[in-house]
Amino acid sequence: NAGVTQTPKFRVLKTGQSMTLLCAQDMNHEYMYWYRQDPGMGLRLIHYSVGEGTTAKGEVPDGYNVSRLKKQNFLLGLESAAPSQTSVYFCAAGLAGYEQYFGPGTRLTVT
Amino acid sequence: LAKTTQPISMDSYEGQEVNITCSHNNIATNDYITWYQQFPSQGPRFIIQGYKTKVTNEVASLFIPADRKSSTLSLPRVSLSDTAVYYCLVGSYNYGQNFVFGPGTRLSVLP
Repeated sequence: NAGVTQTPKFRVLKTGQSMTLLCAQDMNHEYMYWYRQDPGMGLRLIHYSVGEGTTAKGEVPDGYNVSRLKKQNFLLGLESAAPSQTSVYFCAAGLAGYEQYFGPGTRLTVT
Repeated sequence: LAKTTQPISMDSYEGQEVNITCSHNNIATNDYITWYQQFPSQGPRFIIQGYKTKVTNEVASLFIPADRKSSTLSLPRVSLSDTAVYYCLVGSYNYGQNFVFGPGTRLSVLP
């Protein structure tokens, strides 16, 4: 039982490049979330999903898109990366409310 | 959206009890209070959740006064491994999952 996994763990992009971060969970949870965490800061919610085929915007959605085609996967896309998107990205899954289970994170650097 | 206020940092010594207080003056009737722990380079980990009075699990206790405008996370007999950032979140189980992780409280446990 791996819980929540994230791919890749590290990535370096040039400004303007695109990429997709993959989050996978094996706990059958309905809710999934994408956060970003900048140095010394708390986590900020980018997008979330309350079930397969649904997505919704969080606190900082601009510059990101998401998809939840399968219940166990939640994808985060950056269409045109900017240096301001340099951050650590965390995915989480949960039953409801705030008992969320987090993945190990993806460290993204945009140069 | 209930806003929370916590101390930025706290120091303690091994074996002591640590109490971290979170203020949430505009908490709504349906809101729960949830605490997470985050170690460096890891995703946050759920610690405890409560609605009112006192909740205890194998890791911590959560004290919530009758007016629910604040809550206190109590960690009994801390060890060096409890050095981490602790986040207080307030929100409900409603559809709108637009809640915020604040900067948290950085707890340093000294030998």
